[in-house]
Amino acid sequence: DQQVKQNSPSLSVQEGRISILNCDYTNSMFDYFLWYKKYPAEGPTFLISISSIKDKNEDGRFTVFLNKSAKHLSLHIVPSQPGDSAVYFCAASGNDYKLSFGAGTTVTVRA
Amino acid sequence: DGGITQSPKYLFRKEGQNVTLSCEQNLNHDAMYWYRQDPGQGLRLIYYSQIVNDFQKGDIAEGYSVSREKKESFPLTVTSAQKNPTAFYLCASSPPGQSFGTEAFFGQGTRLTVV
Repeated sequence: DQQVKQNSPSLSVQEGRISILNCDYTNSMFDYFLWYKKYPAEGPTFLISISSIKDKNEDGRFTVFLNKSAKHLSLHIVPSQPGDSAVYFCAASGNDYKLSFGAGTTVTVRA
Repeated sequence: DGGITQSPKYLFRKEGQNVTLSCEQNLNHDAMYWYRQDPGQGLRLIYYSQIVNDFQKGDIAEGYSVSREKKESFPLTVTSAQKNPTAFYLCASSPPGQSFGTEAFFGQGTRLTVV
């Protein structure tokens, strides 16, 4: 049973516009959330994280928003750049500290 | 240069054979993990180890085995009991002091194909 869900398998956005990636989770014990970026045939790289005591975390062009009551988080990329084209994984951990991953969203940034 | 090295990058296995995937890190990380990625699915945890000579099963451990004899090394053996081994395998590690699993650093992956 997948506890972290990314319901949009793909997203296409024009260069310079905003990319919004969504993630939902079912386990109310999750208290730490991360986004990873992955290029083909490479391992994921850590992008940004947020703990459950916050509702927003910003790092340059990347902002993660957390809505605990809705069990929903989102990643905003502004402005989107061609190098942002990749697969983005949402992940969550709780008191057992195991990371649970979503299925990923493939982002394509069009020139 | 510090990092996690997985080898080989591509591996072909005949049905009924055991194969071992290598994972080495020189980051002085205590915790190490093995994940499996299949198309359309997220990364699923196979095994993890928080300290040398200790490891625990993840969510899909059946058909796999690991060892952690050295801090730097966490090899994964895919046994013949694993019925669907074709997948992309990722090794990761976490820095000391970090909560288990958070901000894990990943290797480049090994693509295993059963022929």
